[in-house]
Amino acid sequence: EDKVVQSPLSLVVHEGDTVTLNCSYEVTNFRSLLWYKQEKKAPTFLFMLTSSGIEKKSGRLSSILDKKELSSILNITATQTGDSAIYLCAPDNAGNMLTFGGGTRLMVKP
Amino acid sequence: DSGVTQTPKHLITATGQRVTLRCSPRSGDLSVYWYQQSLDQGLQFLIHYYNGEERAKGNILERFSAQQFPDLHSELNLSSLELGDSALYFCASSVAGGRYTQYFGPGTRLTVL
Repeated sequence: EDKVVQSPLSLVVHEGDTVTLNCSYEVTNFRSLLWYKQEKKAPTFLFMLTSSGIEKKSGRLSSILDKKELSSILNITATQTGDSAIYLCAPDNAGNMLTFGGGTRLMVKP
Repeated sequence: DSGVTQTPKHLITATGQRVTLRCSPRSGDLSVYWYQQSLDQGLQFLIHYYNGEERAKGNILERFSAQQFPDLHSELNLSSLELGDSALYFCASSVAGGRYTQYFGPGTRLTVL
């Protein structure tokens, strides 16, 4: 059975801090890993990672995949209150489905 | 706004009833996915349709069924509802399957009383 574990479960930081969120996975026929941000409602897409070791960046957010360690990290630098959300990782297997982790709840205090 | 639309936004119904949730994918997307998100189970994949055909099934109960119509919109039918079916139901769409990013709709919040 596919398994995704995210850590930490919850994180409280102050504005300006840097955070690292972790995602470990065990899936059959791994194809890619996606990161989503979920605020009040629908998850919004952040990154899709398919190759190991290649960092993807979008503003203050970056992410990298390690296929050997079956893991990925999401970094957020100079955090802002608007970064407060649940961050979800989801590996995609060749069966056309995403298996979501339980998420990391990030709270950024002013 | 992802371009995926879902109706209704909220639905309150009683146990034993049947409801239909509707999803319109982004223009050009052929794949539609349904997910259930509850407090204790997190976000769980239910089913995937591509261009009208079922492609993958996840943890979908037998009381639930879905279909994708020729105009590519999809409906999720939930019957014999139980209290535990109360959840947020998301639809996502992508260009095809696999390597293409899934974009999520705003969700339908179902409350079963």
